[in-house]
Amino acid sequence: KNEVEQSPQNLTAQEGEFITINCSYSVGISALHWLQQHPGGGIVSLFMLSSGKKKHGRLIATINIQEKHSSLHITASHPRDSAVYICAVRGGATNKLIFGTGTLLAVQP
Amino acid sequence: EPEVTQTPSHQVTQMGQEVILRCVPISNHLYFYWYRQILGQKVEFLVSFYNNEISEKSEIFDDQFSVERPDGSNFTLKIRSTKLEDSAMYFCASRSDRDTEAFFGQGTRLTVV
Repeated sequence: KNEVEQSPQNLTAQEGEFITINCSYSVGISALHWLQQHPGGGIVSLFMLSSGKKKHGRLIATINIQEKHSSLHITASHPRDSAVYICAVRGGATNKLIFGTGTLLAVQP
Repeated sequence: EPEVTQTPSHQVTQMGQEVILRCVPISNHLYFYWYRQILGQKVEFLVSFYNNEISEKSEIFDDQFSVERPDGSNFTLKIRSTKLEDSAMYFCASRSDRDTEAFFGQGTRLTVV
């Protein structure tokens, strides 16, 4: 069983739609990260959460520590949001990241 | 904005050769990591490095791999006697403190032929 599970694996949306990507984890963590990976491979950090909710522009991330669950929401989605969104949890002796498999999002105009 | 820089962006090597992947972390960062992503798979942790020594390594990081911070700015990953299955994207990451955000480089795509 993977330590970090994401759903859905693939998501196609129409421009303007509200999008939710879910992440569940089974290990103790010190924080949870949402990351974005574009074609070509570079990884960009979107959020780091240890409790509650964070908002940046059209992106909102929430975490429920008791339920070991986090969600990433994108409001008013746009084709430029098309990317792989990855949930990663931070733990272990050196705070390494344990990655989920990612959610491939395609936003169509 | 400060960034983590990785070179080369793409390296092709023959099986059995040694490769060195280079990273320049953000200058005031103290914690350094290497991750890899085999095509179509998730990103996997390889090794973490702090205070000039390895602080944690995964099962993947066997004797074939080594890391070094030779001059206080570069952070390198050496892969000896490369195998076909070493083909992957290798990411370097750094953070300033144990509890802060990690910054990733753009990755080095290694192709072993």
